[in-house]
Amino acid sequence: DTEVTQTPKHLVMGMTNKKSLKCEQHMGHRAMYWYKQKAKKPPELMFVYSYEKLSINESVPSRFSPECPNSSLLNLHLHALQPEDSALYLCASSHGDNYGYTFGSGTRLTVV
Amino acid sequence: AQRVTQPEKLLSVFKGAPVELKCNYSYSGSPELFWYVQYSRQRLQLLLRHISRESIKGFTADLNKGETSFHLKKPFAQEEDSAMYYCALGGSSNTGKLIFGQGTTLQVKP
Repeated sequence: DTEVTQTPKHLVMGMTNKKSLKCEQHMGHRAMYWYKQKAKKPPELMFVYSYEKLSINESVPSRFSPECPNSSLLNLHLHALQPEDSALYLCASSHGDNYGYTFGSGTRLTVV
Repeated sequence: AQRVTQPEKLLSVFKGAPVELKCNYSYSGSPELFWYVQYSRQRLQLLLRHISRESIKGFTADLNKGETSFHLKKPFAQEEDSAMYYCALGGSSNTGKLIFGQGTTLQVKP
């Protein structure tokens, strides 16, 4: 398995809802990442997990809460989002810096 | 400051013409450079990494530390090369972060 799988592919949520995005990889990668991508813009790093521990939080608002239950899974819990949070949320994983990342196809989130 | 600059938002060429997508970087440590490609409605894919010095789909890129550049080149563009291309910077000082340039849309006309 050489892929990063993200579910759901699309999500519409209200501003008072609680939802979760899921990401899974079975490549034995030690690092996993959440990125946010707006239309026609580059991905922006949100969180980095290394060996299941949060190593980087790029000053992301607390309405986004990451979780890494084990080395293969990464979740992003969403609560009280704003319409401007609508974007494509990408998960990625890697062995380490020299190898580059493997990206999932993303979850397209719309906040109404 | 760590930064990646892709000066061209859009590069439009005819099929069979040479292509060069420019990328310059700013980094205090030993850089690790990558090119990613995003075809329409597809996931972001790793195209090249400087450390492997490989050629994928006819594309090559050479790291020039003197000019702090990592330009992507292909001698003869194909229509299927039309996509968004991102240059990305990692490195030991980045502690796992990958910083992306703003991207260049390559449009190959028939």
